[in-house]
Order: sequence, then C-alpha cells, then structure tokens
Amino acid sequence: QKEVEQNSGPLSVPEGAIASLNCTYSDRVSQSFFWYRQYSGKSPELIMSIYSNGDKEDGRFTAQLNKASQYVSLLIRDSQPSDSATYLCAVPGGFKTIFGAGTRLFVKA
Amino acid sequence: DTAVSQTPKYLVTQMGNDKSIKCEQNLGHDTMYWYKQDSKKFLKIMFSYNNKELIINETVPNRFSPKSPDKAHLNLHINSLELGDSAVYFCASSQAMYEQYFGPGTRLTVT
Repeated sequence: QKEVEQNSGPLSVPEGAIASLNCTYSDRVSQSFFWYRQYSGKSPELIMSIYSNGDKEDGRFTAQLNKASQYVSLLIRDSQPSDSATYLCAVPGGFKTIFGAGTRLFVKA
Repeated sequence: DTAVSQTPKYLVTQMGNDKSIKCEQNLGHDTMYWYKQDSKKFLKIMFSYNNKELIINETVPNRFSPKSPDKAHLNLHINSLELGDSAVYFCASSQAMYEQYFGPGTRLTVT
C-alpha cells in the first residue's frame, strides 16, 4: 500500500518568515511529485510540481526533492496571511494519485 | 472559462434517496477522477477514468456508479444514500498522470 505522510499541523509562522512543509512517501519508483494548496471551502489547486532531485523555485515557493530519502518539501519564503491554507503533497502512479492528509498553515499578521 | 465544472454545488437529501453529480472538463484531458473529501479533509480517490474506460475503482460501495459518456464528462450516480456518504465530492482531470485540475466540489449532506 503506497503511502504519503505529512505532519497535519497546524504550522503557525509569523508574516515574513519561511514556512517549511514536509512530506515523505513510500513508493521508491515514484517519479513525479506535486504540491497543492487548498483554502477552506475551496478545491485543491496545483502550486508546484517537481520531477528530479534538487530544488525547483517559482516565485516565493521552492520545492525540494530527495528521492534517496523519499522526501519532498515545500518552502514558502516571505509568508503572507494569504498563504494560510492546507497544503497537500501528492504522488501519482498508474492513474492513481495518493494525497497526503495535508498540513494546515497559519501565517500570523 | 471554467476548466473543470461540477453541478450541483450543494446537495441536501434524505437517506435512501438516489442522486447524481455531473462533471465536465474543457481542458482536452484524457483522464478524469472522482474524489471524496470527508470532514477530516482527507482527499481519497474513488474512481479514475482514462479515455472513457474505468481504470481505478478504489473499493467503493457499488451504490456508487460512475459513467463517462465521453472524455470530457464524468458523472457520479449514488443509490440509496447513507449518512456516511456526507462529504465533499471533487471531480478532477489530468493529461495522463500529470498534474490534476479540480472542479469546485459538490457538498453532499445526507439527513
């Protein structure tokens, strides 16, 4: 049974700080990894995808992948109150994507 | 233009009734999904269709019957609704196993 593990939080950071969200996965052959953001009462939206080891940056977001350790993380720099949401790690495989339980992030103004 | 749309947005019904949720995507994707998100916010896949063919049926009770008339549409019919079916149901689409795009969700409440 493939698993994706996330700390459910809540993770609370002050405005302007770096928020660090972590995810581990069990399937060693996984090749692609996604981070989704879900605001309360809304649907998940894709914010980052990463396919190879190392870092991928997009604006204030950086995804980090370490396939040897089966670990993927999301860093949010200069966190804003509008970043307060649940962040879901997702690992697809064979037309079935396994989502983590999500980490709730609160950014305090 | 809405990429993935679902109707209805809210559904309130009594136990034992039958209801349907419709989903349409205009992204040209070949794969569509139904997910259930319960009160604990855990997002769990129910069904996956690729080119109108059922690929994944994730041990969902057979009261749930998906139908894909074409690649752009995936509907979900639920028979004999139970209290435990109350949840938010999301439709999503993707091109193969790449990133998924979600519909706005249907909040189902069974009383």
